[in-house]
Amino acid sequence: DAKTTQPPSMDCAEGRAANLPCNHSTISGNEYVYWYRQIHSQGPQYIIHGLKNNETNEMASLIITEDRKSSTLILPHATLRDTAVYYCIVRVASGGSNYKLTFGKGTLLTVNP
Amino acid sequence: EPEVTQTPSHQVTQMGQEVILRCVPISNHLYFYWYRQILGQKVEFLVSFYNNEISEKSEIFDDQFSVERPDGSNFTLKIRSTKLEDSAMYFCAGSGTIGVEQYFGPGTRLTVT
Repeated sequence: DAKTTQPPSMDCAEGRAANLPCNHSTISGNEYVYWYRQIHSQGPQYIIHGLKNNETNEMASLIITEDRKSSTLILPHATLRDTAVYYCIVRVASGGSNYKLTFGKGTLLTVNP
Repeated sequence: EPEVTQTPSHQVTQMGQEVILRCVPISNHLYFYWYRQILGQKVEFLVSFYNNEISEKSEIFDDQFSVERPDGSNFTLKIRSTKLEDSAMYFCAGSGTIGVEQYFGPGTRLTVT
């Protein structure tokens, strides 16, 4: 699986958009970008994933650059409950035995009142 | 909304004792995983399980570890002879189809004294 690089921490004001970047310059053509988050000591929570098109769901939007070497997770109106570690993970979606998730250190997003 | 449950939430055991950590995955999931997270460290993959067989295991998952799906609903992780370094949060996860998002349980905190 391709390696990802994320800033170790970010701050965001409550109610504002949180934009979390991720670099994955070695991503392969069949690898997807997944985002998970972990609120303190809880189990990781799936947020969103995408291949090359931008994606949106009820939790967030995912913007992937045209060359697919980086992406941004957007939480449109951050709340205090969005304070968590956010993980960007790149992996194939199917095939072989690569079903596991490989977590890095992620970005600690702190939403401030 | 269906969710993954894990029991117990906290287990304290003495070094050398056997422990069994239990998980009830979402009922229509087919692929199951165990991960662990030592305090302050990254979430690490242990093992994946499909069709009553281990699909993949990490270097951490040595002969002291085993997994089982004894009755079609529970998914268990057994550590035969616990060591101090096994102290961690253990997360169970499942997914419904190859490659799609994994849903995690709340975790079991294992403390080995």
